[in-house]
Amino acid sequence: GQNIDQPTEMTATEGAIVQINCTYQTSGFNGLFWYQQHAGEAPTFLSYNVLDGLEEKGRFSSFLSRSKGYSYLLLKELQMKDSASYLCAGRSGGSYIPTFGRGTSLIVHP
Amino acid sequence: ETGVTQTPRHLVMGMTNKKSLKCEQHLGHNAMYWYKQSAKKPLELMFVYSLEERVENNSVPSRFSPECPNSSHLFLHLHTLQPEDSALYLCASSQDLAGLSTFNEQFFGPGTRLTVL
Repeated sequence: GQNIDQPTEMTATEGAIVQINCTYQTSGFNGLFWYQQHAGEAPTFLSYNVLDGLEEKGRFSSFLSRSKGYSYLLLKELQMKDSASYLCAGRSGGSYIPTFGRGTSLIVHP
Repeated sequence: ETGVTQTPRHLVMGMTNKKSLKCEQHLGHNAMYWYKQSAKKPLELMFVYSLEERVENNSVPSRFSPECPNSSHLFLHLHTLQPEDSALYLCASSQDLAGLSTFNEQFFGPGTRLTVL
Protein backbone atom coordinates (compact mmCIF):
# COMPACT_ATOMS: atom_id res chain seq x y z
CA GLY A 1 0.00 0.00 0.00
CA GLN A 2 0.84 3.67 -0.01
CA ASN A 3 2.24 5.95 2.70
CA ILE A 4 0.14 9.12 2.56
CA ASP A 5 1.03 12.26 4.50
CA GLN A 6 -1.09 15.38 4.81
CA PRO A 7 -1.50 18.13 7.42
CA THR A 8 -3.91 17.46 10.26
CA GLU A 9 -5.67 20.80 10.33
CA MET A 10 -5.83 24.09 8.43
CA THR A 11 -7.81 27.28 8.88
CA ALA A 12 -8.72 29.88 6.28
CA THR A 13 -10.96 32.88 5.79
CA GLU A 14 -14.17 32.96 3.79
CA GLY A 15 -13.46 34.18 0.24
CA ALA A 16 -9.78 33.25 0.40
CA ILE A 17 -7.77 30.50 -1.34
CA VAL A 18 -6.34 27.49 0.48
CA GLN A 19 -3.96 24.77 -0.68
CA ILE A 20 -3.97 21.37 1.02
CA ASN A 21 -0.83 19.34 0.35
CA CYS A 22 -0.38 15.60 0.20
CA THR A 23 2.78 13.53 -0.28
CA TYR A 24 2.97 9.87 -1.19
CA GLN A 25 5.43 7.13 -2.11
CA THR A 26 6.36 7.30 -5.79
CA SER A 27 7.21 3.60 -6.16
CA GLY A 28 4.54 1.91 -8.29
CA PHE A 29 2.27 4.96 -8.18
CA ASN A 30 -1.03 4.36 -9.91
CA GLY A 31 -3.33 7.33 -9.23
CA LEU A 32 -4.33 9.77 -6.52
CA PHE A 33 -7.79 10.74 -5.23
CA TRP A 34 -9.19 13.59 -3.17
CA TYR A 35 -12.39 13.13 -1.18
CA GLN A 36 -14.37 15.59 0.92
CA GLN A 37 -16.03 14.47 4.16
CA HIS A 38 -18.33 16.72 6.17
CA ALA A 39 -18.73 15.86 9.83
CA GLY A 40 -21.09 12.94 10.28
CA GLU A 41 -21.40 12.33 6.55
CA ALA A 42 -19.97 10.02 3.89
CA PRO A 43 -16.78 10.91 2.03
CA THR A 44 -17.57 12.16 -1.48
CA PHE A 45 -15.28 12.02 -4.51
CA LEU A 46 -13.69 15.31 -5.58
CA SER A 47 -10.91 14.52 -8.05
CA TYR A 48 -8.57 11.97 -9.55
CA ASN A 49 -5.05 12.55 -10.92
CA VAL A 50 -2.80 10.04 -12.58
CA LEU A 51 -0.82 12.32 -14.93
CA ASP A 52 1.21 15.41 -14.04
CA GLY A 53 -0.54 18.73 -14.04
CA LEU A 54 -3.58 20.58 -12.83
CA GLU A 55 -7.17 19.36 -13.07
CA GLU A 56 -9.73 22.12 -12.56
CA LYS A 57 -13.34 21.63 -11.52
CA GLY A 58 -15.05 24.88 -10.70
CA ARG A 59 -13.71 26.27 -7.42
CA PHE A 60 -11.67 23.13 -6.76
CA SER A 61 -8.46 22.11 -8.54
CA SER A 62 -6.08 19.23 -7.94
CA PHE A 63 -2.42 19.11 -8.93
CA LEU A 64 -0.04 16.19 -9.27
CA SER A 65 3.74 15.89 -9.64
CA ARG A 66 4.69 12.25 -10.06
CA SER A 67 8.44 12.87 -9.89
CA LYS A 68 8.07 14.61 -6.51
CA GLY A 69 5.39 12.35 -5.06
CA TYR A 70 3.29 15.40 -4.36
CA SER A 71 -0.27 16.54 -4.86
CA TYR A 72 -2.34 19.45 -3.68
CA LEU A 73 -5.99 20.37 -3.58
CA LEU A 74 -6.67 24.04 -4.23
CA LEU A 75 -9.91 25.58 -3.03
CA LYS A 76 -10.78 29.06 -4.30
CA GLU A 77 -13.40 31.58 -3.12
CA LEU A 78 -13.82 29.66 0.09
CA GLN A 79 -17.30 29.31 1.52
CA MET A 80 -18.33 28.33 5.03
CA LYS A 81 -19.74 25.07 3.66
CA ASP A 82 -16.20 24.09 2.58
CA SER A 83 -15.40 23.40 6.24
CA ALA A 84 -14.81 19.65 6.14
CA SER A 85 -12.13 16.98 6.21
CA TYR A 86 -10.24 16.48 2.94
CA LEU A 87 -8.91 12.98 2.38
CA CYS A 88 -5.97 12.23 0.11
CA ALA A 89 -5.80 8.63 -1.14
CA GLY A 90 -3.17 7.00 -3.32
CA ARG A 91 -2.95 3.76 -5.30
CA SER A 92 0.21 1.85 -6.05
CA GLY A 93 1.43 -1.37 -7.54
CA GLY A 94 -1.12 -3.71 -8.99
CA SER A 95 -3.79 -2.70 -6.47
CA TYR A 96 -6.70 -0.53 -7.57
CA ILE A 97 -7.70 -0.01 -3.96
CA PRO A 98 -6.47 3.33 -2.60
CA THR A 99 -4.75 3.88 0.74
CA PHE A 100 -6.13 6.87 2.64
CA GLY A 101 -4.30 9.53 4.61
CA ARG A 102 -5.53 10.81 7.98
CA GLY A 103 -7.40 13.66 6.34
CA THR A 104 -6.95 17.43 6.68
CA SER A 105 -9.61 19.19 8.72
CA LEU A 106 -10.28 22.56 7.09
CA ILE A 107 -12.00 25.24 9.14
CA VAL A 108 -13.33 28.22 7.22
CA HIS A 109 -14.15 31.24 9.37
CA PRO A 110 -15.90 34.51 8.47
CA GLU B 1 -33.14 4.91 -2.45
CA THR B 2 -30.07 6.03 -4.34
CA GLY B 3 -26.35 5.59 -3.86
CA VAL B 4 -25.08 3.60 -0.90
CA THR B 5 -27.21 3.13 2.21
CA GLN B 6 -26.22 1.75 5.59
CA THR B 7 -28.27 0.61 8.57
CA PRO B 8 -28.33 1.19 11.41
CA ARG B 9 -26.84 4.68 11.53
CA HIS B 10 -26.02 4.34 15.23
CA LEU B 11 -25.45 1.21 17.30
CA VAL B 12 -24.57 0.73 20.95
CA MET B 13 -23.71 -2.79 22.02
CA GLY B 14 -22.19 -4.64 24.92
CA MET B 15 -19.11 -6.81 24.56
CA THR B 16 -21.16 -10.00 24.66
CA ASN B 17 -23.76 -8.95 22.08
CA LYS B 18 -24.05 -10.09 18.48
CA LYS B 19 -25.18 -7.55 15.91
CA SER B 20 -24.96 -6.99 12.16
CA LEU B 21 -24.34 -3.94 10.01
CA LYS B 22 -26.03 -3.77 6.64
CA CYS B 23 -24.95 -2.01 3.47
CA GLU B 24 -26.84 -1.77 0.20
CA GLN B 25 -25.72 -0.13 -3.04
CA HIS B 26 -28.14 0.92 -5.77
CA LEU B 27 -25.46 1.77 -8.35
CA GLY B 28 -25.00 -1.55 -10.14
CA HIS B 29 -21.41 -1.77 -8.92
CA ASN B 30 -19.38 -4.96 -8.75
CA ALA B 31 -17.04 -4.19 -5.85
CA MET B 32 -17.91 -3.43 -2.21
CA TYR B 33 -15.75 -2.50 0.77
CA TRP B 34 -15.85 -2.19 4.56
CA TYR B 35 -13.74 0.51 6.21
CA LYS B 36 -13.19 1.48 9.83
CA GLN B 37 -12.78 5.19 10.61
CA SER B 38 -11.44 6.17 14.03
CA ALA B 39 -10.73 9.68 15.23
CA LYS B 40 -7.40 11.10 14.03
CA LYS B 41 -6.57 7.91 12.09
CA PRO B 42 -6.69 7.11 8.38
CA LEU B 43 -9.52 5.12 6.94
CA GLU B 44 -8.63 1.47 7.55
CA LEU B 45 -9.62 -1.00 4.85
CA MET B 46 -11.15 -4.12 6.40
CA PHE B 47 -12.65 -6.24 3.63
CA VAL B 48 -13.11 -6.10 -0.12
CA TYR B 49 -15.58 -8.08 -2.21
CA SER B 50 -15.62 -8.32 -5.99
CA LEU B 51 -18.56 -10.06 -7.65
CA GLU B 52 -19.54 -11.49 -4.25
CA GLU B 53 -16.12 -13.05 -3.64
CA ARG B 54 -13.87 -11.81 -0.86
CA VAL B 55 -10.62 -10.60 -2.39
CA GLU B 56 -9.00 -8.88 0.56
CA ASN B 57 -9.00 -9.34 4.31
CA ASN B 58 -6.66 -6.89 6.00
CA SER B 59 -5.72 -8.86 9.13
CA VAL B 60 -9.07 -8.11 10.69
CA PRO B 61 -9.87 -9.93 13.97
CA SER B 62 -12.29 -12.83 13.62
CA ARG B 63 -14.85 -11.02 15.80
CA PHE B 64 -15.69 -9.19 12.54
CA SER B 65 -17.26 -11.45 9.94
CA PRO B 66 -18.31 -10.12 6.51
CA GLU B 67 -20.96 -11.56 4.25
CA CYS B 68 -21.82 -10.65 0.66
CA PRO B 69 -24.92 -12.58 -0.47
CA ASN B 70 -25.15 -10.70 -3.79
CA SER B 71 -23.46 -7.78 -5.52
CA SER B 72 -25.86 -5.22 -4.01
CA HIS B 73 -25.66 -6.21 -0.35
CA LEU B 74 -22.86 -6.41 2.17
CA PHE B 75 -23.07 -7.29 5.85
CA LEU B 76 -20.65 -7.05 8.74
CA HIS B 77 -21.46 -9.44 11.56
CA LEU B 78 -20.13 -8.43 14.97
CA HIS B 79 -19.63 -10.56 18.07
CA THR B 80 -17.69 -10.23 21.33
CA LEU B 81 -16.35 -6.82 20.35
CA GLN B 82 -13.97 -4.75 22.44
CA PRO B 83 -14.33 -1.07 23.45
CA GLU B 84 -11.49 -0.18 21.04
CA ASP B 85 -13.71 -1.36 18.19
CA SER B 86 -15.88 1.72 18.72
CA ALA B 87 -15.64 3.71 15.50
CA LEU B 88 -17.49 4.78 12.36
CA TYR B 89 -17.88 1.84 9.98
CA LEU B 90 -18.14 2.91 6.37
CA CYS B 91 -19.30 0.85 3.44
CA ALA B 92 -18.27 1.78 -0.09
CA SER B 93 -18.76 0.49 -3.60
CA SER B 94 -17.03 0.99 -6.93
CA GLN B 95 -17.77 -0.06 -10.50
CA ASP B 96 -15.03 -2.67 -10.48
CA LEU B 97 -11.75 -3.44 -8.77
CA ALA B 98 -9.71 -2.87 -11.89
CA GLY B 99 -9.55 -2.55 -15.62
CA LEU B 100 -12.92 -1.42 -16.88
CA SER B 101 -13.29 1.96 -15.20
CA THR B 102 -10.73 4.76 -15.55
CA PHE B 103 -11.28 6.34 -12.17
CA ASN B 104 -12.95 3.56 -10.30
CA GLU B 105 -13.74 6.04 -7.57
CA GLN B 106 -15.50 4.79 -4.48
CA PHE B 107 -18.98 5.81 -3.41
CA PHE B 108 -19.41 5.77 0.34
CA GLY B 109 -22.40 5.22 2.55
CA PRO B 110 -23.10 7.49 5.55
CA GLY B 111 -21.63 4.98 7.98
CA THR B 112 -22.70 3.27 11.18
CA ARG B 113 -21.47 4.93 14.38
CA LEU B 114 -20.67 1.97 16.65
CA THR B 115 -20.13 2.25 20.39
CA VAL B 116 -19.02 -0.82 22.33
CA LEU B 117 -19.56 -0.61 26.08
